[in-house]
Amino acid sequence: EDQVTQSPEALRLQEGESSSLNCSYTVSGLRGLFWYRQDPGKGPEFLFTLYSAGEEKEKERLKATLTKKESFLHITAPKPEDSATYLCAVQGNNAGNMLTFGGGTRLMVKP
Amino acid sequence: EADIYQTPRYLVIGTGKKITLECSQTMGHDKMYWYQQDPGMELHLIHYSYGVNSTEKGDLSSESTVSRIRTEHFPLTLESARPSHTSQYLCASAQRGTDTQYFGPGTRLTVL
Repeated sequence: EDQVTQSPEALRLQEGESSSLNCSYTVSGLRGLFWYRQDPGKGPEFLFTLYSAGEEKEKERLKATLTKKESFLHITAPKPEDSATYLCAVQGNNAGNMLTFGGGTRLMVKP
Repeated sequence: EADIYQTPRYLVIGTGKKITLECSQTMGHDKMYWYQQDPGMELHLIHYSYGVNSTEKGDLSSESTVSRIRTEHFPLTLESARPSHTSQYLCASAQRGTDTQYFGPGTRLTVL
């Protein structure tokens, strides 16, 4: 059974204070690891897909990295508008196209 | 990026009522999904479809049913709503040959 654990559950940062969110996973053959952003009361918004260890992707202040056991979402010089819940999901080889989601990290960036 | 719509956005109903949550997408995606998400909790897959006339149950047991008569439309029905059905319901779609799912805005259901 695929499993995803995200840490920390909540993170408070000052504006400009860089940090990283962790996503640890166990999966029967990784087909893809996905990062989403979710604002309160809304659906998740797609950010990145990573397919193999060593891969990195960037978008504005966000950078996602992947190893064989975990992924990090690095946030550089965050702004208050980066406040949201960040979700990680994995898709394994035996899961068809089904994703297994972690519980998310709730990020709060104060001005 | 997919254009995916859900209606209603919010619904408050009494116990025993029959309801249908609508989900439509305009990108021609073959694959569509329904997830349930309680506040602060993980998303759990309750139904999915790989195309017209194809529906499957997901990991989370649900008393809801779905249908896929048209590619763009994937409604979810609860025959008799109960307070335990109170949750947020999220619809998603993905293009054939890709794994990235795009989500709609969700329907927040409250059953009194």
